[in-house]
Amino acid sequence: DTAVSQTPKYLVTQMGNDKSIKCEQNLGHDTMYWYKQDSKKFLKIMFSYNNKELIINETVPNRFSPKSPDKAHLNLHINSLELGDSAVYFCASSQVVGGELFFGEGSRLTVL
Amino acid sequence: LAKTTQPISMDSYEGQEVNITCSHNNIATNDYITWYQQFPSQGPRFIIQGYKTKVTNEVASLFIPADRKSSTLSLPRVSLSDTAVYYCLVGTLSGNTPLVFGKGTRLSVIA
Repeated sequence: DTAVSQTPKYLVTQMGNDKSIKCEQNLGHDTMYWYKQDSKKFLKIMFSYNNKELIINETVPNRFSPKSPDKAHLNLHINSLELGDSAVYFCASSQVVGGELFFGEGSRLTVL
Repeated sequence: LAKTTQPISMDSYEGQEVNITCSHNNIATNDYITWYQQFPSQGPRFIIQGYKTKVTNEVASLFIPADRKSSTLSLPRVSLSDTAVYYCLVGTLSGNTPLVFGKGTRLSVIA
């Protein structure tokens, strides 16, 4: 069983489009995250949810909107995609904020 | 901002022991030190965590001096499959601040 799963794994789209990435964890964790890894391989946190509530919202354009329907799911919707949004987006979960992180395999977004 | 500093890259031959040092001069009393490993096209995965002195598991050892301002991840007898990026992080285990990743150390193991 995959602990943290993301879909889709690859996403190629045109500038200006809207896209979503979904994430699910079956570890029973309370906290979920979205990280962005750019072409220089820097891994930056974007959002963190604890028990479906947003607790961390780093400096991210408001075109990015996370949604957590329940503790096991955290989706990321991106409006009006830009070239600079091209990156690998990782979902992760942990039992508590700051605890051991379990990452998904990533979703590679390419904006043309 | 990441609270740690690591070498950008290291090279090693197969079979050697590799030591990667991380500086964390401003580590707080409640902070733990955690190391993650990331292979290409995969998410990072937990390797080892410690608070002080020495921690050892089946994968690595972590050495932390008394002042805790640095730590060293030791990988015994590396193989080609250990080629990866290694991240050192500091943070509390149950605080309200998520772990922040630095730039990591890219380890290349050569045959």
